[in-house]
Amino acid sequence: DAGVTQSPTHLIKTRGQQVTLRCSPKSGHDTVSWYQQALGQGPQFIFQYYEEEERQRGNFPDRFSGHQFPNYSSELNVNALLLGDSALYLCASSEARVSGSPYEQYFGPGTRLTVT
Amino acid sequence: QKEVEQNSGPLSVPEGAIASLNCTYSDRVSQSFFWYRQYSGKSPELIMSIYSNGDKEDGRFTAQLNKASQYVSLLIRDSQPSDSATYLCAVYDSSASKIIFGSGTRLSIRP
Repeated sequence: DAGVTQSPTHLIKTRGQQVTLRCSPKSGHDTVSWYQQALGQGPQFIFQYYEEEERQRGNFPDRFSGHQFPNYSSELNVNALLLGDSALYLCASSEARVSGSPYEQYFGPGTRLTVT
Repeated sequence: QKEVEQNSGPLSVPEGAIASLNCTYSDRVSQSFFWYRQYSGKSPELIMSIYSNGDKEDGRFTAQLNKASQYVSLLIRDSQPSDSATYLCAVYDSSASKIIFGSGTRLSIRP
């Protein structure tokens, strides 16, 4: 049973560039959430996708956008990169309708983005 | 702004002892609570979820929830060096339909 996968593992970009990160959810999961985690901090919620639509959004500028595909995989796009966007980007998958343990999310290994 | 508060640590516990990690949250209507373990350089791993007041045990881990006091804790019995990690408390914010994480408590188990 494949867990959550993310690509790439590491990425180095220059300020002003654009980046696309990818995520495949755990088998059986249909919801994908993206988080940004700075060093020494907890993950900060960026947005969540379900049924190919953005359902919830955190306090991030619209430079951060995403997409979900029919197979439930998802992309996170960040435009006009800033130095402050350097962080670990985490994808978490979950099942939208589950009665036993609602809202449990399982994280992928993350993508370490460095902006220089 | 709803918040989840944790002592950043480090919390140092001798091997074999009980490690106690605490978390408070500001949202009175929260119903779902989670503990994640994160090793340095790795992603968070879900270790416990708890939804009702009281204790929930899973192996060496026990989660305790007190909604009246807006307090959730994690006890780790017979602590092992492999338990050394950062422990993240997370709370589901039903009004915003999102999970809010604390900044984590760094736990160190000394041999």
